[in-house]
Amino acid sequence: EAQVTQNPRYLITVTGKKLTVTCSQNMNHEYMSWYRQDPGLGLRQIYYSMNVEVTDKGDVPEGYKVSRKEKRNFPLILESPSPNQTSLYFCASSSKAFGSYEQYFGPGTRLTVT
Amino acid sequence: AQSVAQPEDQVNVAEGNPLTVKCTYSVSGNPYLFWYVQYPNRGLQFLLKYITGDNLVKGSYGFEAEFNKSQTSFHLKKPSALVSDSALYFCAVRDLHSSNTGKLIFGQGTTLQVKP
Repeated sequence: EAQVTQNPRYLITVTGKKLTVTCSQNMNHEYMSWYRQDPGLGLRQIYYSMNVEVTDKGDVPEGYKVSRKEKRNFPLILESPSPNQTSLYFCASSSKAFGSYEQYFGPGTRLTVT
Repeated sequence: AQSVAQPEDQVNVAEGNPLTVKCTYSVSGNPYLFWYVQYPNRGLQFLLKYITGDNLVKGSYGFEAEFNKSQTSFHLKKPSALVSDSALYFCAVRDLHSSNTGKLIFGQGTTLQVKP
């Protein structure tokens, strides 16, 4: 089954404690990205990757890091989480092969930073 | 700057009645438009897209959307609402003027409540 998986689904942590949210897709997609969803703001892109070893900032990259060492994986790293990073996070992937870049989303990770 | 607006935070409709969730966009050139649905505790699921061609686009679960270039709108519709359609709906446009070719710009979302 074609899918995007994320782990963990729920995470409660404290300010300053480094964490990683994993993302993996099994569709051989070139493009992967991370979004955060906040009430009234929709989804905003954090980082994206056009392919292996090619990453760049989205609209709200402050406080986040990513890496793309393998095509299928795109982890999101919070080196020193702060309460304003409490949010719902989605990983997404898509392929330029179809031109429209229809995106497939993971189930989401709800992060709470206290 | 490209943008998407969903003017209603919430839409309430009775089961069996037609529903419309509104979306307007602002882009340069021809837009690539999408609708996604988010059920509680789930990720976003693709409903339908408009790239080119017929202005009426049919999608999953009986939904359709009408592209109106003159009004820069892409409203989501369904002839007969189901209680199970209750969810959060997002309209999105692909950012065509960026090297970030896969980026979607999302509206703020509209909660659809279908009452029995």
